[in-house]
Amino acid sequence: QKEVEQDPGPLSVPEGAIVSLNCTYSNSAFQYFMWYRQYSRKGPELLMYTYSSGNKEDGRFTAQVDKSSKYISLFIRDSQPSDSATYLCAMSGKDSSYKLIFGSGTRLLVRP
Amino acid sequence: DVKVTQSSRYLVKRTGEKVFLECVQDMDHENMFWYRQDPGLGLRLIYFSYDVKMKEKGDIPEGYSVSREKKERFSLILESASTNQTSMYLCASSPRKRSISLHFGNGTRLTVT
Repeated sequence: QKEVEQDPGPLSVPEGAIVSLNCTYSNSAFQYFMWYRQYSRKGPELLMYTYSSGNKEDGRFTAQVDKSSKYISLFIRDSQPSDSATYLCAMSGKDSSYKLIFGSGTRLLVRP
Repeated sequence: DVKVTQSSRYLVKRTGEKVFLECVQDMDHENMFWYRQDPGLGLRLIYFSYDVKMKEKGDIPEGYSVSREKKERFSLILESASTNQTSMYLCASSPRKRSISLHFGNGTRLTVT
């Protein structure tokens, strides 16, 4: 079993929809939870991160962490065609924060 | 803006060749990383370095080595390329005190035939 599981998609939604992207994990030692966005032919870029549990909002993006369920989510409101990309979750422990464990990524397509 | 530059976008090499992948970052970051990205497997850490001449094995170091002679440059070496090393290779850097914030290059697509 992988430490981090992520549905590969693709997920296709119409412009303006609310998008929910999710990951589950098995390692209870994870403390940092990150979302990276990767456009085609580019390297990933950090979108948001959360330390421990709770929610974090940044514009149209909201990251949620539920440590009791070992489940994290990224919500995108009012999705735009420019949001079309692959979204990778990543996690790490407090004492090994440099060693990120990545999900395999969910490909998102926002249709105009 | 941090820039991480990988020397080649595409490489085609033959089985058994020694292959060098080069990476340079311009933001004075202490940490540098090499990942490979494969469909369905995500990003897997090969090696990382937290200082010049220092290196640590990641999750899949077999068949690879690295070199960090200068702070801004981190090289990945495939001693004897094999077909199962055909992959997308991504270099990344991060500052020591914000190690989760990786800055990636755009990748090198390596094909070993």
